[in-house]
Amino acid sequence: AQSVTQLDSQVPVFEEAPVELRCNYSSSVSVYLFWYVQYPNQGLQLLLKYLSGSTLVESINGFEAEFNKSQTSFHLRKPSVHISDTAEYFCAVRSTDKLIFGTGTRLQVFP
Amino acid sequence: DAEITQSPRHKITETGRQVTLACHQTWNHNNMFWYRQDLGHGLRLIHYSYGVQDTNKGEVSDGYSVSRSNTEDLPLTLESAASSQTSVYFCASSGISYNEQFFGPGTRLTVL
Repeated sequence: AQSVTQLDSQVPVFEEAPVELRCNYSSSVSVYLFWYVQYPNQGLQLLLKYLSGSTLVESINGFEAEFNKSQTSFHLRKPSVHISDTAEYFCAVRSTDKLIFGTGTRLQVFP
Repeated sequence: DAEITQSPRHKITETGRQVTLACHQTWNHNNMFWYRQDLGHGLRLIHYSYGVQDTNKGEVSDGYSVSRSNTEDLPLTLESAASSQTSVYFCASSGISYNEQFFGPGTRLTVL
């Protein structure tokens, strides 16, 4: 069965610093990978996705993730974070017709 | 604009009571999902539906049921609420590609 591991439950960082949120998946077949973001007291929103093609995918607010098949990873990065990026981030893998979510990483950005 | 709504947003109930959480979407999506979110567990799938009259069990379906009588609604029922069902519940829907799920704002349920 497919699964997703997010090793870091919390990542504290200062504003304007770079950040990386780690995600590893297990799958023996083609993968579709996603990052979702959950702002406080809200539902999840799709941040970015990898379906095929370029291994580097970007979001509209400066995040990017790179699909690395050899390392079975899909880490999320941002070169300079803002206070407004404070949220919980979930990595997910599509398993046939469903999504399997990781346990989430809480990104806390400090001024 | 299309949206997905949940009601109530907050609910407090007692052990043993039946509780129904509503989910309504105007995306005209065939696929609908119910998740619960708990610290340390992320989101876990409770039940899902691919269309009217179709329902399927997810990872943590014990104690929950759903019914799908139309495209727009997938209510989640806790037959006899237990304290272990205290959680935040999210409804989601997706189109035919399954590649993006749209989430509702969530319902925070407390079972005393």
